[in-house]
Amino acid sequence: DAGVIQSPRHEVTEMGQEVTLRCKPISGHNSLFWYRQTMMRGLELLIYFNNNVPIDDSGMPEDRFSAKMPNASFSTLKIQPSEPRDSAVYFCASIPGPLNTGELFFGEGSRLTVL
Amino acid sequence: AQSVTQLDSQVPVFEEAPVELRCNYSSSVSVYLFWYVQYPNQGLQLLLKYLSGSTLVKGINGFEAEFNKSQTSFHLRKPSVHISDTAEYFCAVSSNDYKLSFGAGTTVTVRA
Repeated sequence: DAGVIQSPRHEVTEMGQEVTLRCKPISGHNSLFWYRQTMMRGLELLIYFNNNVPIDDSGMPEDRFSAKMPNASFSTLKIQPSEPRDSAVYFCASIPGPLNTGELFFGEGSRLTVL
Repeated sequence: AQSVTQLDSQVPVFEEAPVELRCNYSSSVSVYLFWYVQYPNQGLQLLLKYLSGSTLVKGINGFEAEFNKSQTSFHLRKPSVHISDTAEYFCAVSSNDYKLSFGAGTTVTVRA
């Protein structure tokens, strides 16, 4: 079975441009997470969806960030406008149910560089 | 709220030597504990988890961890490492909800 699929794997853009990161969770998983990883702050939870509904977006840094999950098989994380401090690796992860007592399945990440 | 402290940011070790990665957590309620591994340019994958039962947990690739409630620790060990164990290791804690709090990570570098 395919794992969590993220695209693009690498993105280099200039400050001010819009960035869209995409995620396809594992089929049948109804909880999806977006994480950001940086050297300074480690792994931070940005947003959590359950059954396509955003449950907790308290980790979203500011209004420039937005996330959607229009259906069970697709989610996007958008940054508009992007800034150099947004440079990071963004991970998408999914689990079969709402409770985090099991394994989080991570994608391979999208490495974003904002110049 | 819960938090995780990984006591070592970098652990260099020689091939076939044992390794221990230390993890302490704080939480006011019962917790579930995890160790994840991240190989270069990859996502995180689960090594092992403690949910309940035996405090000694065995995971993949020969790793094991021991849950110590009195010391609020969940240290990860491997008796003999390989070059392929070079990676970053993350301890994480959850309190039966959707939030998984990760530690800062420990980079293990295995040298021949």
